[in-house]
Amino acid sequence: GEDVEQSLFLSVREGDSSVINCTYTDSSSTYLYWYKQEPGAGLQLLTYIFSNMDMKQDQRLTVLLNKKDKHLSLRIADTQTGDSAIYFCAEEGYNKLIFGAGTRLAVHP
Amino acid sequence: NAGVTQTPKFRILKIGQSMTLQCTQDMNHNYMYWYRQDPGMGLKLIYYSVGAGITDKGEVPNGYNVSRSTTEDFPLRLELAAPSQTSVYFCASSYQSPGENTEAFFGQGTRLTVV
Repeated sequence: GEDVEQSLFLSVREGDSSVINCTYTDSSSTYLYWYKQEPGAGLQLLTYIFSNMDMKQDQRLTVLLNKKDKHLSLRIADTQTGDSAIYFCAEEGYNKLIFGAGTRLAVHP
Repeated sequence: NAGVTQTPKFRILKIGQSMTLQCTQDMNHNYMYWYRQDPGMGLKLIYYSVGAGITDKGEVPNGYNVSRSTTEDFPLRLELAAPSQTSVYFCASSYQSPGENTEAFFGQGTRLTVV
């Protein structure tokens, strides 16, 4: 079945890199997504990666995809307090997105 | 564009009461979704719609109903509220299916407590 798994919590020091990991089950997903949820708000698309790519870089964000292991990661360089949020990994399902439980990123001084 | 608008933002219901969560979008999106978010459980899909007049069940549809009479609106109905329905509810929309690399836009959420 379709399932997406993430660790629930990550704490990093301001200025360090954050790495959020995700495993998924549906190898037929054409795209994989990262969404960000700030406190009291809905989710917003952060970035995505096409399944034929191994890596995608977008300013401070780097997405790595290992299709063989069905593993997706999101690296945030120079993490700032404004990056504190919940990060959701998502894969495609039939006419829907399937989300992981979300990783709460806490950034401390 | 206002995007996806949900009302109300907060609601407390008594067991057995009914209510409708409203969702409207002004982006002319075909696809609309209702998710619920429970702590540590991520988002679970309740119902979705691929266009006006067409709805389908998601992972957790029991206890809920939806309708899609217009492209803009996708209300979610709770007929007999139960404590297990205490959650944060998110409505979302997208122009195409997620399989076509389309962004899903989310509303601000409705925090529902059933007591």
